[in-house]
Amino acid sequence: DAGVIQSPRHEVTEMGQEVTLRCKPISGHNSLFWYRQTMMRGLELLIYFNNNVPIDDSGMPEDRFSAKMPNASFSTLKIQPSEPRDSAVYFCASSFGGAVYEQYFGPGTRLTVT
Amino acid sequence: KQEVTQIPAALSVPEGENLVLNCSFTDSAIYNLQWFRQDPGKGLTSLLLIQSSQREQTSGRLNASLDKSSGRSTLYIAASQPGDSATYLCAARGQNFVFGPGTRLSVLP
Repeated sequence: DAGVIQSPRHEVTEMGQEVTLRCKPISGHNSLFWYRQTMMRGLELLIYFNNNVPIDDSGMPEDRFSAKMPNASFSTLKIQPSEPRDSAVYFCASSFGGAVYEQYFGPGTRLTVT
Repeated sequence: KQEVTQIPAALSVPEGENLVLNCSFTDSAIYNLQWFRQDPGKGLTSLLLIQSSQREQTSGRLNASLDKSSGRSTLYIAASQPGDSATYLCAARGQNFVFGPGTRLSVLP
């Protein structure tokens, strides 16, 4: 299996622009998670989906962030408008059977907002 | 609100030593605890997952234990190697999924 796939791997954008991060989970996994990692705050769960339905989005920082999972093999995390404080590494992870099972992480997208 | 801490923040040991990494969590109502390693600039690799009903899990040179009542988990690495150098994170899964800040391990040849 190719593992969790994320794109792009690096994104540099200007403040105010829309940013879309993409994730393809491991085939057969029915849960998907979006995380953000910064030096100051460490690794934080933003949102997770189970069977394409958002279950817990309490970690989404504000309305500028939105996530969708239109089908079992694709998810997006969108930031609009982006701000410099959004600069971080964004990870996607997937698991089979929900959040109580082992999670497998993608390589991450390093976002820099100038 | 769950809080997860890890001690020490950084550790440097000579090759061949056995070592213990510590993880503490404040809310014992967890489903499981998972240990990961993260190499610089890379994603997280799952090492061990301990369900709340289990006391320990082993994989090769790694052994993780869980004591829910005291809110502690330890990761034991036997016969450390330079390739073990990485940041090790624990994560507690309860009502939410909370990561510790990590322990940065350096194993010197």
